[in-house]
Amino acid sequence: AQKITQTQPGMFVQEKEAVTLDCTYDTSDQSYGLFWYKQPSSGEMIFLIYQGSYDEQNATEGRYSLNFQKARKSANLVISASQLGDSAMYFCAMRGNTGNQFYFGTGTSLTVIP
Amino acid sequence: DTGVSQNPRHKITKRGQNVTFRCDPISEHNRLYWYRQTLGQGPEFLTYFQNEAQLEKSRLLSDRFSAERPKGSFSTLEIQRTEQGDSAMYLCASSFGRASNQPQHFGDGTRLSIL
Repeated sequence: AQKITQTQPGMFVQEKEAVTLDCTYDTSDQSYGLFWYKQPSSGEMIFLIYQGSYDEQNATEGRYSLNFQKARKSANLVISASQLGDSAMYFCAMRGNTGNQFYFGTGTSLTVIP
Repeated sequence: DTGVSQNPRHKITKRGQNVTFRCDPISEHNRLYWYRQTLGQGPEFLTYFQNEAQLEKSRLLSDRFSAERPKGSFSTLEIQRTEQGDSAMYLCASSFGRASNQPQHFGDGTRLSIL
C-alpha cells in the first residue's frame, strides 16, 4: 500500500528565512513520482515541484527545492527566502507505478511571520 | 488554456437530496480524477477516468456516488440521497499522458454543505 506521512501539522518561519517541510513515503513500487502542492486559503491546489524515483539530482523550481533521500524514503520540500505569500497548506503527494492514483499526506500549515 | 473548471463553487442542500457537480478539465488532458477533501485532511482519491473510461474507483465511493465522462471531455459527479458525512470539498483534477512526471492540475473545487 502507498502512504504519505507529513508529521508537521504547523510550521512558522520568519520572512526571508528558509524552511523545510518534511515528507516520508511508503511504497513497494520501483517507479514512482513525488509531488508537492500548495493550497492557499482560497482552496486551489497549486503544483510546485516534482521528483522522479530514478532522478539522481534533487529537483529545483525557483525558490523551491526537493531534498530527496531515496534510501530513507523522504522527500522534503525546502522553501528559500520565505515570502508572506508562502503562507498556505502544503501537501506532499505520490504517484505510483500505475499512475492512476495520487496519494496525499495530511498537509503542513506554513505561516510566514513578517 | 483556462485551467480546470468546476461548477458550482458552493452547493448547500438538505440531507436526502441529490446533487451533481461538473468538471471541465484542461482541453488536451485525457486523464481526469475526482477527490474529496475534508477539513484538515489531504485530498482522498475517489475515481479516475482515462478518456471516457472509468478505470478506477476508490472503496470510499459508495453506491450513492456515480461519476461519468460521456465523451471524454467534461465529467459529472452525482451524489444521491446525500448524508451529513458527504459535506466536503470535491476536487477535480486532470493530467495528460501516462508519464509519471505529469502533475495533476486541480480546479478550485465544489464545496458541499449538507443541512
